[in-house]
Amino acid sequence: DIQMTQSPSTLSASVGDRVTITCRASQSISSWLAWYQQKPGKAPKLLIYKASSLESGVPSRFSGSGSGTEFTLTISSLQPDDFATYYCQQYNSPTWTFGQGTKVEIK
Amino acid sequence: QVQLVQSGAEVKKPGASVKVSCKASGYTFTSYYMHWVRQAPGQGLEWMGIINPSGGSTSYAQKFQGRVTMTRDTSTSTVYMELSSLRSEDTAVYYCAIDTLNWGQGTLVTVSS
Repeated sequence: DIQMTQSPSTLSASVGDRVTITCRASQSISSWLAWYQQKPGKAPKLLIYKASSLESGVPSRFSGSGSGTEFTLTISSLQPDDFATYYCQQYNSPTWTFGQGTKVEIK
Repeated sequence: QVQLVQSGAEVKKPGASVKVSCKASGYTFTSYYMHWVRQAPGQGLEWMGIINPSGGSTSYAQKFQGRVTMTRDTSTSTVYMELSSLRSEDTAVYYCAIDTLNWGQGTLVTVSS
């Protein structure tokens, strides 16, 4: 099974900060990686698919990069609405695997 | 547009079973595999398994092997996820999803004596 290791688990940042979250796969997943944002009591919301493609309607301050085993989600200028938990997910195989999540908190 | 509508919240006793449904619309039901993902309170997302609505074949995460059964009814475009021998650790929100974008609204299953 493919394992996904996401870091950091918690991140404290201020509005306007540039934020980077990393996800590492235990084997190559090509670009079959998605990033989600989740707020309490809500279903995950897709931000990025295929490692770097921005889902329609998602602000351009979100971007994704990487391929193979190393991936990054960047928020270029953190906004108040961005304080949430973020998950990476591999969908290279019929089975899915998620990272452990990164909680972005207000500093 | 794609819609995945799940059944309502459930409260079950330890040792019981629960069956959650996911009714699909807005696309060809048999063209997309259906995944089930769960999230315990305050925890991360956990993939449970997948069903091919076309032939009914399934693949389950090892953790749930022997306790989970996924089925489908093509006449109603509905997929079911049944989890047996429930314990308190199974308290979670259960989601169905066909791809990274299209998820159900989630079903809270509470296991409590």
